[in-house]
Amino acid sequence: AQSVAQPEDQVNVAEGNPLTVKCTYSVSGNPYLFWYVQYPNRGLQFLLKYITGDNLVKGSYGFEAEFNKSQTSFHLKKPSALVSDSALYFCAVRDPGGSQGNLIFGKGTKLSVKP
Amino acid sequence: DTGVSQDPRHKITKRGQNVTFRCDPISEHNRLYWYRQTLGQGPEFLTYFQNEAQLEKSRLLSDRFSAERPKGSFSTLEIQRTEQGDSAMYLCASSPAGGPTDTQYFGPGTRLTVL
Repeated sequence: AQSVAQPEDQVNVAEGNPLTVKCTYSVSGNPYLFWYVQYPNRGLQFLLKYITGDNLVKGSYGFEAEFNKSQTSFHLKKPSALVSDSALYFCAVRDPGGSQGNLIFGKGTKLSVKP
Repeated sequence: DTGVSQDPRHKITKRGQNVTFRCDPISEHNRLYWYRQTLGQGPEFLTYFQNEAQLEKSRLLSDRFSAERPKGSFSTLEIQRTEQGDSAMYLCASSPAGGPTDTQYFGPGTRLTVL
């Protein structure tokens, strides 16, 4: 069965420091991976996705993610965190061979950026 | 492109009552998804439509739940005889054609509280 794991419930970072939010996946075949961000009482906003090609994917708001097939990981990164980046981050996977097309989400990681 | 909209944003109801939520996808998006998100969890897939056809239902979608997309545009999700366990955020998402690489765009969600 396809799944994603976000091993950290919370990540704390000082403003201006680099941040990493971790995600590992389990899927048969080549994965399609997504990152979304959720602000309080809001829906999910798409950040970036990995389909194929370059292992470093650039997305919205200065975020990027690195796909690592050997480690089955897709960690979200940003070189310099902002207080406004504080939110809930979700990693998701889509089974390329599945018929449903739905996303399977991790439990989320709360990012807290302090001034 | 006005984004995915959902109505109402909040709904408080008493146990046993019926509720109905509406989702308006991005225009010309063929795929429409419903997810449910409970506190501290990532969204979980409920059902999806390809145009007006409901193609898949999750085991989470009990007999008390029904969804429609009558003209392939907006969709409704109805919960009959609500239970306290139905309290959650109900998210709607749409995508252009439903291919595995398509991005799903989410609405702001409807937060349901069952008293």
